[in-house]
Amino acid sequence: DARVTQTPRHKVTEMGQEVTMRCQPILGHNTVFWYRQTMMQGLELLAYFRNRAPLDDSGMPKDRFSAEMPDATLATLKIQPSEPRDSAVYFCASGPPLAGATDTQYFGPGTRLTVL
Amino acid sequence: EDQVTQSPEALRLQEGESSSLNCSYTVSGLRGLFWYRQDPGKGPEFLFTLYSAGEEKEKERLKATLTKKESFLHITAPKPEDSATYLCAVQARGGSYIPTFGRGTSLIVHP
Repeated sequence: DARVTQTPRHKVTEMGQEVTMRCQPILGHNTVFWYRQTMMQGLELLAYFRNRAPLDDSGMPKDRFSAEMPDATLATLKIQPSEPRDSAVYFCASGPPLAGATDTQYFGPGTRLTVL
Repeated sequence: EDQVTQSPEALRLQEGESSSLNCSYTVSGLRGLFWYRQDPGKGPEFLFTLYSAGEEKEKERLKATLTKKESFLHITAPKPEDSATYLCAVQARGGSYIPTFGRGTSLIVHP
């Protein structure tokens, strides 16, 4: 049963610290999305990759957030320095190649981040 | 700008009491409309994709329908295990295929 995996599942850190979240997309998927979910804003798209290339990161605060895909099996989201307002659940989702397939996204279990 | 509005925000039903959730959307050419289910502490789980007005899809007690302006998720004779937040998302034709999500409807089914 192929699944998106995310680590860590929970992270508590202090303001100003660097936070790195990791995602392993489903093998064979070529799109990766990073979302942030809060009670106030719902699901917000932070970054979008296709074939490891960043296509859209307009929803991401550029001064402190960065997203990369070092290889096809790993996507990372970094926050440096972290702030209390970054506290949220961060989801990674992957999707299969578009041709001949639905644009379904398969979500990971999320990383719950708390910045004190 | 693509917009998705879901209603109601919250819905409480008795077991067996059928109802519908609404997803109204504004998009410059619809490529697809998606329904997801999200359980507390978990990521959204894909339910359906609808592509054109008039299309319907079913899965167990759930049926999704689509018109040119909205989609409904009908829940027939719900059970407590159907309790979850249901999210709707739209994807515009062309461009980057980035979906726009609604805020969701929180459904609670009482036994």
